[in-house]
Amino acid sequence: EVQLVESGGRLVQPGGSLRLSCAASGFTVSNHWMHWVRQPPGKGLLWVSRINSDGGTTNYADSVKGRFTISRDNAKNTLYLQMNSLRVEDTAVYFCARGVGPDSWGQGTLVTVSS
Amino acid sequence: QSALTQPASVSGSPGQSITISCTGTSSDIGGYKYVSWYQQHPGKAPKLIISEVSNRPSGVSNRFSGSKSGNTASLTISGLQPEDEADYYCSSYTSSSTLDVVFGGGTKLTVL
Repeated sequence: EVQLVESGGRLVQPGGSLRLSCAASGFTVSNHWMHWVRQPPGKGLLWVSRINSDGGTTNYADSVKGRFTISRDNAKNTLYLQMNSLRVEDTAVYFCARGVGPDSWGQGTLVTVSS
Repeated sequence: QSALTQPASVSGSPGQSITISCTGTSSDIGGYKYVSWYQQHPGKAPKLIISEVSNRPSGVSNRFSGSKSGNTASLTISGLQPEDEADYYCSSYTSSSTLDVVFGGGTKLTVL
């Protein structure tokens, strides 16, 4: 059974850093495109970042480019999102998801950026 | 501002059918087969109900169907049931250099 479990979300001050993790089971992360998608409170889904299966080619939404870094640890079968210089507008539930047209999603982890 | 356009809300009575539209451009919906639909209940993760325009994943009711014409995709739910009340999102792969996946703004389905 495919399963994705996010962790690492918490309350952080503006300008702070956070690393989110997404532990995968039931499949191999390095064989699939993997995404981070976020959902601000009461709002819709927004794509954040992607890492390819080919060796780590990445892409980012303009709103996070230069501040967020997506990566994976093949040995741990885990996806990461390093978030630096956090802003109030980064507050959201962050989901990891698998596939080009994402087919499996984790339950999400809440990141709150506030002073 | 969402890249794909969906109606904010639709409603229907139990047993009826409803259709939710999702309009994009030739750079996303019109150009690729990777059009998906998701159902999201409050506080839950999105659940894939339609992939690649019209494919239903295993376990998804055949009351859900998807189609595409030009730059517009559609989700039809037939035989509405109370548990169908949820938010529905469309998504598409995009050729934009700064985006991989674009989502619609979401449609709130109310079962009257």
